[in-house]
Amino acid sequence: GDSVTQMEGPVTLSEEAFLTINCTYTATGYPSLFWYVQYPGEGLQLLLKATKADDKGSNKGFEATYRKETTSFHLEKGSVQVSDSAVYFCAQYAGGTSYGKLTFGQGTILTVHP
Amino acid sequence: GAVVSQHPSWVICKSGTSVKIECRSLDFQATTMFWYRQFPKQSLMLMATSNEGSKATYEQGVEKDKFLINHASLTLSTLTVTSAHPEDSSFYICSARDLYAGNTIYFGEGSWLTVV
Repeated sequence: GDSVTQMEGPVTLSEEAFLTINCTYTATGYPSLFWYVQYPGEGLQLLLKATKADDKGSNKGFEATYRKETTSFHLEKGSVQVSDSAVYFCAQYAGGTSYGKLTFGQGTILTVHP
Repeated sequence: GAVVSQHPSWVICKSGTSVKIECRSLDFQATTMFWYRQFPKQSLMLMATSNEGSKATYEQGVEKDKFLINHASLTLSTLTVTSAHPEDSSFYICSARDLYAGNTIYFGEGSWLTVV
């Protein structure tokens, strides 16, 4: 079945460091891919998305490119801030009538120190 | 501001009682909403798809009689945890699909349930 696998955390970085959180997926078709962020005690916020191969989603300095050949959607940021500390979830929607029924990865906790 | 609101944000209930969580789309109509459950430091697991005017579609392993879902209007879905037990303690979060905004999915703020 469809699944999403994220790199295990937690990830701890110093401010201004480079961030990569790996995400790979399995799907029978060509899913839409998403990154969500969850700050402590809050719900999920959409960070960025890509709907087809080679698309690059970007927001708030974060980027991720939909790579069909490697079935990946790695999240990157060139210079992280303390305020980026949160849990990051990679997710996919595989299509069909139940649009919005997302499959999530296990989440990666990011902690950024000053 | 939030476009999907959940209420209550926090609830503590006694074992054996029932508790209702509401999910509202604030400025759009949502024919479809989704309920997820998240255990501490774990991922979100889809529980069910809530369809306006019809029965919810439950994921495998989710007890329909325990987690009652009602989607009586285009802006409100409710999740009722019946005869709650401590193992039902969790973070419940809903999402709603805005058909007229390119099927954009909005998540609620989540509801913490603690059963004592």
